[in-house]
Amino acid sequence: DQQVKQNSPSLSVQEGRISILNCDYTNSMFDYFLWYKKYPAEGPTFLISISSIKDKNEDGRFTVFLNKSAKHLSLHIVPSQPGDSAVYFCAASAWGGSYIPTFGRGTSLIVHP
Amino acid sequence: DARVTQTPRHKVTEMGQEVTMRCQPILGHNTVFWYRQTMMQGLELLAYFRNRAPLDDSGMPKDRFSAEMPDATLATLKIQPSEPRDSAVYFCASAGRVIQTQYFGPGTRLLVL
Repeated sequence: DQQVKQNSPSLSVQEGRISILNCDYTNSMFDYFLWYKKYPAEGPTFLISISSIKDKNEDGRFTVFLNKSAKHLSLHIVPSQPGDSAVYFCAASAWGGSYIPTFGRGTSLIVHP
Repeated sequence: DARVTQTPRHKVTEMGQEVTMRCQPILGHNTVFWYRQTMMQGLELLAYFRNRAPLDDSGMPKDRFSAEMPDATLATLKIQPSEPRDSAVYFCASAGRVIQTQYFGPGTRLLVL
């Protein structure tokens, strides 16, 4: 039973446009959410996070939005660049789970020049 | 530039052989994780340690997998005997005070024939 779902395995976007990656979760106890980025032949790297007390967190071109009532979060990349092409993992954690994050299966983003 | 290192980077072996993967966490990080990435399951947590003590290995097939931390600078994951279904990329990650912000190694790509 997947508690963190990334329903789009892949996304293709034109350079300069907005990329929107989506993530849904089922466990209402999750209170901290993260996005990781992974290039081929490398390990995932932390990108951005958000606590459940907020609904938005911004870091440069990356913004994460959290909709707790819908149990949904999204990562916006504006403007998208070819170097953003990677696999993006959504993760969620809860105090009850010792804050160990549960990862989604990832979405492969391709940004075309 | 502190980073998690993993050896070997690639391993090809025959079914039934023992496989040992090694990880050196970032100095000062007290939590170490082992993950497995497959196309079907995404990033699965196999086991994790805090202060070298195993806290959860429920994600591991107990009959063939074992994880240890003989000292603070070395974590090992062993598979004996290996099977073709174990073919995957195995990641080690470490974390300091903020356990959700994990630093991943480059992974060991395992192929069991």
